Parts: sequence; C-alpha cells; structure tokens
Amino acid sequence: IVLTQSPATLSLSPGERATLSCRASQSVSSYLAWYQQKPGQAPRLVIYDASNRATGVPARFSGSGSGTDFTLTISSLEPEDFAVYYCQQYSNWPRTFGQGTKVEIK
Amino acid sequence: QVQLQESGPGLVKPSETLSLTCTVSGGSISAYYLTWIRQSAGKGLEWIGRIDSGGSTSYNPPLKSRVTMSVDTSKKQYSLKLKSVTAADTAVYYCASGRVVFDYWGQGTLVTVSS
Repeated sequence: IVLTQSPATLSLSPGERATLSCRASQSVSSYLAWYQQKPGQAPRLVIYDASNRATGVPARFSGSGSGTDFTLTISSLEPEDFAVYYCQQYSNWPRTFGQGTKVEIK
Repeated sequence: QVQLQESGPGLVKPSETLSLTCTVSGGSISAYYLTWIRQSAGKGLEWIGRIDSGGSTSYNPPLKSRVTMSVDTSKKQYSLKLKSVTAADTAVYYCASGRVVFDYWGQGTLVTVSS
C-alpha cells in the first residue's frame, strides 16, 4: 500500500494551525498512525488508529479519517512541533510509510 | 519503560553482510513483534521485517532474499543480517516494537556501505 503525504513542506508560524494529509492507495480502514521525527532522533508515535493520541501527546494534536484519506491537525503550533511527520499503515503487510511532511518555521 | 538499543558495525564493505543487534531492557516485548526499519535519504522510512519471540518472521519482499532475523530470548536480543550489501543499503537502522504500532524505538544506528 502506497501512502502519499501532502504537502511535502508546510511553512507556518507558531500559533498557526497545521493540516497534514495522507492518502492511501487502497483502504486501510482506520489502521493508520502518525509519527513525529526531529533531527537526529527516532520517530515518535503521535496518533494511532487514525484518531487516538498516544500517551503523553498534547491535545492540540488530532487525527481524523478512514479508508484512504487521513488528516493530522495541530491546532496551534508550538515551537517544539516543528518537525517531520510520517503516516504509516498497519492494515496490510508489508507495513509502509508515507514520504513525510516537514513542518517548518515560516 | 521498554528501551531498545541497536548495536553493530557502522561501516560495512560492499558485498559483505550487515549485522546488527537490538537489545531490549526495562521490560518485556515478548508479546509484541520486534521490527527492523531503516531510513535513508533516498527512500525515507522502509519496513525491513519483523520477528516474534518465537522466531516467526515476515520480511519485506524486495529484501526477502537477503534478510535474516533471529532472536535470543535469554539475552533479550534480536538480530538482523542483511547480506550482499551495496551502497543503496546505507541508512540509519532502527529496531522498533509495540502492541500494534511502533510505540518503542531504538535511537538508530547509521550503517555506511563503502570500501
């Protein structure tokens, strides 16, 4: 299953809303996760089952969607949120990731 | 809290075998899969394969002919071997685990394939 993320880069200011998209080449039901990765670090789980926040993830992060279209929303960007975000499906083997969306400071 | 730690050579010669170990501490992942993932500039995050505590494996088809994963439960160690490496196998290699998704990640280890 191919996951296509858009946009590749999102340039925003702190306090603004970020909307990231992930589209699957076939339905993955709700078996979709989002990860945040900062330079030099491993990815960190943010959202699982399309809309559930992982432990310790702030409420400004929310996920939505099912089937083939998914969205990760950060309601008001904090300085620590600027990073690369990846979606990942776990509906089918092999597991696959999107190519990432970089959220950068404008 | 489960912690994962990758270890192994950072430099491997072309055509040789890449060998990495993932050591688990701070808890047990016996109920979960241990997955190997790599990240290169050219291909992003790539799922290499997974193994359970009983040694059952599943590999990504493009890599299947070159990958072997194994587990030593007594040492809480998982290993990855990738044979016949080329420059295209240069990447940061992660081990990761979790109930369904990847809740736990190692810090990653950079493996460079070069003579």
